[in-house]
Amino acid sequence: NAGVTQTPKFQVLKTGQSMTLQCAQDMNHEYMSWYRQDPGMGLRLIHYSVGAGITDQGEVPNGYNVSRSTTEDFPLRLLSAAPSQTSVYFCASSLGWRGVSTDTQYFGPGTRLTVL
Amino acid sequence: GQQLNQSPQSMFIQEGEDVSMNCTSSSIFNTWLWYKQDPGEGPVLLIALYKAGELTSNGRLTAQFGITRKDSFLNISASIPSDVGIYFCAGFSGGSNYKLTFGKGTLLTVNP
Repeated sequence: NAGVTQTPKFQVLKTGQSMTLQCAQDMNHEYMSWYRQDPGMGLRLIHYSVGAGITDQGEVPNGYNVSRSTTEDFPLRLLSAAPSQTSVYFCASSLGWRGVSTDTQYFGPGTRLTVL
Repeated sequence: GQQLNQSPQSMFIQEGEDVSMNCTSSSIFNTWLWYKQDPGEGPVLLIALYKAGELTSNGRLTAQFGITRKDSFLNISASIPSDVGIYFCAGFSGGSNYKLTFGKGTLLTVNP
């Protein structure tokens, strides 16, 4: 298994540009999520999905869209990038979403995004 | 929203020393998790705790789920240079979804 993969690893955007951060997992996990990590802020949940066709907002959803058309993929879209979205973005997945022992969240390697 | 207060923010220790860090919350959590993040990588789960009072070890790491369900600690014994990284606590309060709340992290530096 490749686990959780994210592309690209690095990205520089200009203000107002759009882009999609890709996330894929090959573990047949139902739950997938996106976090952003800023210095001194820990990880904050942007959006999450409990299965194909089902998504919901996390703690900091503004400026981001998601969709879940397949179990494997969970892309994060920035429609009009802003400097405040400069951050490191992590995708994570888990088998379920009940917080039990089988629901370990596995994180991808991250995408480092800079918005100028 | 829910917040986790993680302390200390950073630690600089000598190899071989023991380390202790903790997380507290004003609200109850049903699950406490401890992650480690190496530079340039995503967080990796170290220990998961599911019951109040639970004490769990993973090699040189020991973590406990506080009796009040509002706190947890992580101890690292006999630290080694590869323990360097950021340690995060995370909590799950239960419900029909799985939204983790993360602490802000403890940056650990180990001097050989």
